Amino acid sequence: NAGVTQTPKFQVLKTGQSMTLQCAQDMNHEYMSWYRQDPGMGLRLIHYSVGAGITDQGEVPNGYNVSRSTTEDFPLRLLSAAPSQTSVYFCASSLTGHSNTGELFFGEGSRLTVL
Amino acid sequence: GENVEQHPSTLSVQEGDSAVIKCTYSDSASNYFPWYKQELGKGPQLIIDIRSNVGEKKDQRIAVTLNKTAKHFSLHITETQPEDSAVYFCAASGVTASKLTFGTGTRLQVTL
Repeated sequence: NAGVTQTPKFQVLKTGQSMTLQCAQDMNHEYMSWYRQDPGMGLRLIHYSVGAGITDQGEVPNGYNVSRSTTEDFPLRLLSAAPSQTSVYFCASSLTGHSNTGELFFGEGSRLTVL
Repeated sequence: GENVEQHPSTLSVQEGDSAVIKCTYSDSASNYFPWYKQELGKGPQLIIDIRSNVGEKKDQRIAVTLNKTAKHFSLHITETQPEDSAVYFCAASGVTASKLTFGTGTRLQVTL
């Protein structure tokens, strides 16, 4: 199993551009989520999904969209990038929709810079 | 919502010494407390977790303690080794879960 795969690993955008961060998992996990990691702020939840067709907002959802059309994929879309979205983004998945019953498996991260 | 505070933000210990990282949480309904280790350039990885019906859990050199009354939990690493150098995150979530709240992280450096 490849686990959780994120692409791209690095991306530079100009303010106002759009892009999609891809996330795929091959573990048949129900739960998938996106976090952003900023210095001194830890990992903050952006959006999450407890199954195909179901998504919900996390702590910092503004400026981001998600969809979950399949169990395997959970893309994160930035519609109009802003410098405040410069960050390292992590996709994570777990077997069930209840994080207190299962380990979160993280991808290796996508470093995004918005100029 | 849940708020998790983590201290210290950086910690330097000599090889063989012990390291302790402390976290407090705000939501008394939280009942699951995992710890994640993040090595340079990698995603976080679960190293140990504890549930609210347990006061302490140990796995080789790593132990976690939980005080539900005071709403704090701690990670203890004994006989530290250079490969323990990493960023460590505590986290908390409640029964409805799906929203694991992380602390701000502790950068641990183990020096020779």
